[in-house]
Amino acid sequence: DIQMTQSPSTLSASVGDRVTITCRASQSISTWLAWYQQKPGKAPKLLIYKASSLESGVPSRFSGSGSGTEFTLTISSLQPDDFATYYCQHYNSYFLTFGGGTKVEIK
Amino acid sequence: QLQLQESGPGLVKPSETLSLTCTVSGGSISSSIYYWGWIRQPPGKGLEWIGTIYYSGSTYYNPSLKSRVTISVDTSKNHFSLKLSSVTAADTAVYYCARHRGGTSPYYFDYWGQGTLVTVSS
Repeated sequence: DIQMTQSPSTLSASVGDRVTITCRASQSISTWLAWYQQKPGKAPKLLIYKASSLESGVPSRFSGSGSGTEFTLTISSLQPDDFATYYCQHYNSYFLTFGGGTKVEIK
Repeated sequence: QLQLQESGPGLVKPSETLSLTCTVSGGSISSSIYYWGWIRQPPGKGLEWIGTIYYSGSTYYNPSLKSRVTISVDTSKNHFSLKLSSVTAADTAVYYCARHRGGTSPYYFDYWGQGTLVTVSS
């Protein structure tokens, strides 16, 4: 099974900050990676797919990059609505795995 | 607009079988480009993929749950279902159903249900 490791697990930041979250795969997954945002009590929301493709309707301040085993989600200028938990998910095989999550908190 | 809605008991006794249904509206579950999945999230913890089904009935399960999980689809009712047997307190979680975009295999989840909390307790 492919394991996905996110870092950091918690991140404290201020409005306007540039924020970067990392997701590492235990083996190469090419660009078969998605990123989600989840707010308390809500279902996750798709942000990025195929490592760097922005889902329709998602603000352009979100971007994704990487391939192989290392990936990043970047928020170029953190907005109040962005304080949430972020998850990566690989889909390199029939057996899907999520990362453990990164909580973005207000500093 | 596609909508998914989970339904089923919110309380299940230990050793019994958890059963949930996801009803899809605003789109057909028989579309050849989508798969349909279940994901769960224990209180305060991360997301865990449970399994996925294609409209034809092909299934894919998380190896860690495979021995206890059955996912089925009813295209006439436009819904799919989850059964998880021999539940314990560790199975207490919010259970989500979701749609995958896919190709030759399931990809990422683009539409999610609101989730339903299932508590395992006597």
